[in-house]
Parts: sequence; C-alpha cells; structure tokens
Amino acid sequence: EPEVTQTPSHQVTQMGQEVILRCVPISNHLYFYWYRQILGQKVEFLVSFYNNEISEKSEIFDDQFSVERPDGSNFTLKIRSTKLEDSAMYFCASSPSGGPQETQYFGPGTRLLVL
Amino acid sequence: AQSVTQLGSHVSVSEGALVLLRCNYSSSVPPYLFWYVQYPNQGLQLLLKYTSAATLVKGINGFEAEFKKSETSFHLTKPSAHMSDAAEYFCAVRAGGSNYNLTFGKGTLLTVNP
Repeated sequence: EPEVTQTPSHQVTQMGQEVILRCVPISNHLYFYWYRQILGQKVEFLVSFYNNEISEKSEIFDDQFSVERPDGSNFTLKIRSTKLEDSAMYFCASSPSGGPQETQYFGPGTRLLVL
Repeated sequence: AQSVTQLGSHVSVSEGALVLLRCNYSSSVPPYLFWYVQYPNQGLQLLLKYTSAATLVKGINGFEAEFKKSETSFHLTKPSAHMSDAAEYFCAVRAGGSNYNLTFGKGTLLTVNP
C-alpha cells in the first residue's frame, strides 16, 4: 500500500540554524500539507500546497517557514532560523484532491529538537 | 472557525471491554469529521470519517462512530477492546469550502489491560 514517507525521523539542531524536513507524498496525490505537534499539545495545521503554490497557511506559518516541491516527488518544509519553540513533531500529509471529505494520508513524522 | 474537544486525555479499559472515546466539535458550517489513530513510531492512520452520507460510520478494526448533530458529538466506539487497540486516537474536523486544513483535538491515549 502506498504511504507517505518522511526524512529524517529525528533531527537535532542549534537555535538559529536552518533545517529542511523532507517528505515524499503518495505518487498520484495533488495536495500536500504540513502539520506539527508540540509535545503535549494538539496537532496544528501549518500549510497546504497545490499546483506549486501555497493554497492555505496558518498564523504559525510565518516568514521563517517555506515549502517547496523541488522535483516531482519531494515536498519540503524549510525553517530558516530555528527557535526553541519550533521543537515539535512535524507531519507531512497528502490527499488525492482538496475536497473537504477527502482523506489526508499522514507520514510518520520528523521529531525536531532545537537546542 | 471550527474546533474539537476530546474528553479524557487517557482512557484505560480491560481487554474485551467496550471502548468509548469522546469527541465534541464546534463548526459554523456542516462539518466533515475524522478519527485518526497513531500507533507508536507511526504516522496518523485514518480510522473512519463522516461525510454526511450516514450518521453511523463504520471504520477499520471494528471501530464505529455516530454523528449526533443535536449533541455536536462524534464519539468513537468499539464493542470489545483488543490489546492491539492500544494507541493514541485523534478526532479532527474540517469545515469544507476552500478551507483545506484539519483541526485536531488533543488526542486520547487508549491503554488496554489484559
């Protein structure tokens, strides 16, 4: 069964450093998403992406964040200058279409720790 | 704006007992509701979803949920718990229209005792 994959599974970085989290969505899906979960808190939406542009973003997704689909398979989340509060589990998801009833398929997550 | 409240961050049941995980939602438009499960070191996996076709929704692994508009609830149940059901369960709502994102509850950790 096709699945969303994410790399790395864990990342430790120093405050102020740039990190890139990578995701490979399911191959025939058209919509891509990033969510994050700070330890002990809710899973929060960051951004959705379709047709090579951002379709929706949350207040969390400020200028420090960017997303890119550099080739036909990868979908990346870049945090330009990490802060301590960026420490969280980051989930990538994809869906075949953007319809509200559509299932979003999630990857296993990347646990980011900012020191 | 939509929101989800999951009552009980931790639920413990005995193997063979009824599982009931509670979810209440708030939405200004008819909602689409989802239950996801997360096993240790894995991603979120869809259990079931409500898309207005039927109020009682059956999902994988013997789980089901009933949409009750009058109670703004979408509780998840399973008649008989199995050890393999131990995981974290997330309720999520999506408002529809051009709103693409899922709004999640805080999750409920289910433990199953032998």
